[in-house]
Amino acid sequence: GAGVSQSPSNKVTEKGKDVELRCDPISGHTALYWYRQSLGQGLEFLIYFQGNSAPDKSGLPSDRFSAERTGGSVSTLTIQRTQQEDSAVYLCASSLVWGTSLNTEAFFGQGTRLTVV
Amino acid sequence: AQTVTQSQPEMSVQEAETVTLSCTYDTSENNYYLFWYKQPPSRQMILVIRQEAYKQQNATENRFSVNFQKAAKSFSLKISDSQLGDTAMYFCAFMKHERYGGATNKLIFGTGTLLAVQP
Repeated sequence: GAGVSQSPSNKVTEKGKDVELRCDPISGHTALYWYRQSLGQGLEFLIYFQGNSAPDKSGLPSDRFSAERTGGSVSTLTIQRTQQEDSAVYLCASSLVWGTSLNTEAFFGQGTRLTVV
Repeated sequence: AQTVTQSQPEMSVQEAETVTLSCTYDTSENNYYLFWYKQPPSRQMILVIRQEAYKQQNATENRFSVNFQKAAKSFSLKISDSQLGDTAMYFCAFMKHERYGGATNKLIFGTGTLLAVQP
């Protein structure tokens, strides 16, 4: 597609339920990032994919959070047993990562607003 | 660890006026990039301007320019001739740039400045 696509746009879930958030990166972008934006905060890095592997998972806040990427394309972020503090906007970005300086630009999706009630 | 600080939570400017948003950062790295991203109500982050740390010349993009002071670790954004469409949250971001396979090259963001352009 023309840009990074995320679904759903908004998700309301009950505390304790599992949720899956989807990201479709720009075609050909090998790098994919997940960030979390809590109210009044900047974006917080969660996980980085290069192709289908995740060499950096250092930002995942707990073992309730996991992510996978298949076919070097679509990624799914899963949050198990959701808690109220998980409420945030989850943003996905893709880029060509490295090479010339022109490849440092990260292209973002519009995010998924998750509300845990 | 790198940190990015934006000390102005909110700012307001009259249409057609000039406004400057502040950003400071802390790093021991020498090879890095700095960015300003705009986030309108649609939530999508849009790259406004980028600066390579090894370049002394300040980056400019039409009405947007930066004042990059490497020694002071300061990276401010100037918006000239402000327009109503500039109303948004603005984030300053740092990226340590490593050119090897597996390098994360993740962005580290400040907490943002909410800019309101008044008619």
